[in-house]
Amino acid sequence: GQSLEQPSEVTAVEGAIVQINCTYQTSGFYGLSWYQQHDGGAPTFLSYNALDGLEETGRFSSFLSRSDSYGYLLLQELQMKDSASYFCAVRDGGDKIIFGKGTRLHILP
Amino acid sequence: EAGVVQSPRYKIIEKKQPVAFWCNPISGHNTLYWYLQNLGQGPELLIRYENEEAVDDSQLPKDRFSAERLKGVDSTLKIQPAELGDSAVYLCASSSLAGGFDTGELFFGEGSRLTVL
Repeated sequence: GQSLEQPSEVTAVEGAIVQINCTYQTSGFYGLSWYQQHDGGAPTFLSYNALDGLEETGRFSSFLSRSDSYGYLLLQELQMKDSASYFCAVRDGGDKIIFGKGTRLHILP
Repeated sequence: EAGVVQSPRYKIIEKKQPVAFWCNPISGHNTLYWYLQNLGQGPELLIRYENEEAVDDSQLPKDRFSAERLKGVDSTLKIQPAELGDSAVYLCASSSLAGGFDTGELFFGEGSRLTVL
């Protein structure tokens, strides 16, 4: 079967750093993506890792270890507007994109 | 450039009634996805098109759901008859994925929120 595991909720303080982990088990693998979704909004793309290592885009970074079937999203200098749900998604060998159940990020002032 | 456009944004129907959702993807995007999203859950793939061909519809409940993508552009997702459990947000996404030689990004529409009474 195919599965993605990520924590259901994470709470952090404004200005701090938070890491959201994702482990996956899929039949094929091209890469790992991260999406952000605010309540009532559409998922929006944050990052994509096809190779091992860290990708940095502003305050957000994403890491992938293919050998460990593991990745994480790192959010730095947290702002209240970062309160949202974050989804990891695996792209399998056929361009099928499978999403995790999502992590709800709560940010405290 | 216009994003992925979906309509209607909201639909309330009684059970056993039919409903249809429409999606206009980003111009030039060959791949189109329909996802279902329940409250507090991640998007679940229903069907994926490459141009006009449905290449993955294994998760589509074919007894009541149908989809089409005529001319490889716009797409319609239909439910007939709707059941109470179909209440969810139906998301359409498009991409220009090229077998790994791309950014891996899906572009989502705002979704169609269905309530079945």
